[in-house]
Amino acid sequence: RKEVEQDPGPFNVPEGATVAFNCTYSNSASQSFFWYRQDCRKEPKLLMSVYSSGNEDGRFTAQLNRASQYISLLIRDSKLSDSATYLCVVNPYEYGNNRLAFGKGNQVVVIP
Amino acid sequence: NAGVTQTPKFQVLKTGQSMTLQCAQDMNHNSMYWYRQDPGMGLRLIYYSASEGTTDKGEVPNGYNVSRLNKREFSLRLESAAPSQTSVYFCASSAVGSNQPQHFGDGTRLSIL
Repeated sequence: RKEVEQDPGPFNVPEGATVAFNCTYSNSASQSFFWYRQDCRKEPKLLMSVYSSGNEDGRFTAQLNRASQYISLLIRDSKLSDSATYLCVVNPYEYGNNRLAFGKGNQVVVIP
Repeated sequence: NAGVTQTPKFQVLKTGQSMTLQCAQDMNHNSMYWYRQDPGMGLRLIYYSASEGTTDKGEVPNGYNVSRLNKREFSLRLESAAPSQTSVYFCASSAVGSNQPQHFGDGTRLSIL
């Protein structure tokens, strides 16, 4: 089983709509969780960390479900500029190092 | 406010040539990483350095070597480039701690003919 699994999509979203997607992780001992955004041919950039209680940053909401081992990202009122690939990232914290496991990403296309 | 700086940004090599990709960070981070990203494969870890003076293999280390020159700099060397190493290479750094995210450079696009 892969460490982090995501449905690649694409997720075609009308402008102004809400889109949500999940990713699952395999290591129940994973310590920390992040969502990164990657634009085409650019570097991944941190979108937000995901906390146990869930957290919100503007139009973006992240949730963590440790029992079912998944994290989610919800984007409200989608903008054209939200078109990107969203990478689910998990720190399995193996042997005390800070190695991260990356999903392959959810591709979001916001349509006018 | 540079963050993580990678050089060069683009490079074309012939099979068998060698080259070194440079990475420097100005965030006083202890840990540094090298990834490659290929279409449909996601990010794969090549090597990482948890702290100055240490390096460890990641998921795909074959054909690469690294040097942690000092706390700021972490270089990746291809001794004898092969077409299978055509990829986009990203360097990243992070502070110590399991809740610390990684910060990426803007990548090196490498083509090997």
